[in-house]
Amino acid sequence: ETGVTQTPRHLVMGMTNKKSLKCEQHLGHNAMYWYKQSAKKPLELMFVYNFKEQTENNSVPSRFSPECPNSSHLFLHLHTLQPEDSALYLCASSQEWLGLVFEQFFGPGTRLTVL
Amino acid sequence: AQSVTQLDSQVPVFEEAPVELRCNYSSSVSVYLFWYVQYPNQGLQLLLKYLSGSTLVESINGFEAEFNKSQTSFHLRKPSVHISDTAEYFCAVSGQGGSEKLVFGKGTKLTVNP
Repeated sequence: ETGVTQTPRHLVMGMTNKKSLKCEQHLGHNAMYWYKQSAKKPLELMFVYNFKEQTENNSVPSRFSPECPNSSHLFLHLHTLQPEDSALYLCASSQEWLGLVFEQFFGPGTRLTVL
Repeated sequence: AQSVTQLDSQVPVFEEAPVELRCNYSSSVSVYLFWYVQYPNQGLQLLLKYLSGSTLVESINGFEAEFNKSQTSFHLRKPSVHISDTAEYFCAVSGQGGSEKLVFGKGTKLTVNP
């Protein structure tokens, strides 16, 4: 595997289900990100992890719970979601150095549908 | 705080025509600038970037962008587009002020028609 991988690629869940999205980066980066991309809305940054520590939470509802066990893996745990949470969830990674980010590498995304 | 403005949400063009996708940014510090492309049902891929040096940067598939500091712009151009260039294009900025974030524009949907 190379680059940034995400599983599953597609997920359909009911509002009472609990599921998790997984992201893995094979680039040796130290920062990882979750983004939400909805139709007709700009890309929304949800969470940032740097050296496994969460450095940003953009007022994301608590029904989204991130986990970063090491610098290569990132999870997004989902529970009691709403239909408006249906979107493409993108994971990205980057090499952060002294607060500078030169570019982010994105995974293919998980297309989530909440019924 | 930084921000990115992509004025055109949709740009339709005919095949082999030239195209320009506009991007303006605001920042109080020096910046790094990026263009990403997203094909249907895929993630974002880096198309080109400006970090320092020559203000004109090029991609391997014929796109180019020019960093204009005085106009705070980073417009993307291609002299002759192909059907396969149909995609959404995102401009992004990263500041040198200590933030590890990229700030993205809202995207421009480029549609190339035969």
